[in-house]
Amino acid sequence: TQLLEQSPQFLSIQEGENLTVYCNSSSVFSSLQWYRQEPGEGPVLLVTVVTGGEVKKLKRLTFQFGDARKDSSLHITAAQPGDTGLYLCAVPKGHNQGGKLIFGQGTELSVKP
Amino acid sequence: NAGVMQNPRHLVRRRGQEARLRCSPMKGHSHVYWYRQLPEEGLKFMVYLQKENIIDESGMPKERFSAEFPKEGPSILRIQQVVRGDSAAYFCASSLGGEKLFFGSGTQLSVL
Repeated sequence: TQLLEQSPQFLSIQEGENLTVYCNSSSVFSSLQWYRQEPGEGPVLLVTVVTGGEVKKLKRLTFQFGDARKDSSLHITAAQPGDTGLYLCAVPKGHNQGGKLIFGQGTELSVKP
Repeated sequence: NAGVMQNPRHLVRRRGQEARLRCSPMKGHSHVYWYRQLPEEGLKFMVYLQKENIIDESGMPKERFSAEFPKEGPSILRIQQVVRGDSAAYFCASSLGGEKLFFGSGTQLSVL
C-alpha cells in the first residue's frame, strides 16, 4: 500500500480546460510538496505547504493543504500544453529528515492543443 | 548558475558489469540524495550523503550498491554486477540541508 495515493493516475484534457488532481493519505504530515516532472528530466519543486487549510497560488496553479494535513489538491485553471507532465506529491520521511522524501505515484497529465 | 549535474545521461551495461553514476550538486550545497525511479514503483529514496559521510542509506539495497561523496569531486553511486532489475532512472538531488531539493536530469541505466 502506498502512503500517498494520487488520483487520477492519468488525465488527458484539451487546452483551456480546468482540472484538479489529488494527493491523499490517512497519515498527518508536517508539510507536503508538489513537483512537476517532464519526460527525461528530474522533478522540479512547485510549492511546499505547511499549514492545515493553507492555499498557495502559482500563476494558474492553486495548491491546497487539507485542514487535517492529511491530503492536498492541485487545481490548474485554463490548462496549457506546457502544463503537460507528471505531477508528484511528496512528504518528509519522518521528523527532521531534510530531503528524505516519500513520493506518490504521480498523476500523468496530458494537455492537448 | 549550474544546477545539479548528472552524468552520463544514458548508460548501457551488460549483466555483471559495473555502473558508476556521477552527480555534482548545486554550488554551495553539501547535502546530496540519490533516488531511483521505476515505472511501477515511482520515485524512491536510496541514500543521503554529506561531504565524506553517509548519513542515511536505509533505502539502498544491501548488496552491490554503494555511494560516496568525497571531499573533492562529485558524488558517485556505484552498482556492481548489475542485473536487469537495476534498469531504472537514477536521480540525484542536492540541498542546503532543508527539505527543498533540486534534482538533476537523471541517469537512465539500461542493463542488457
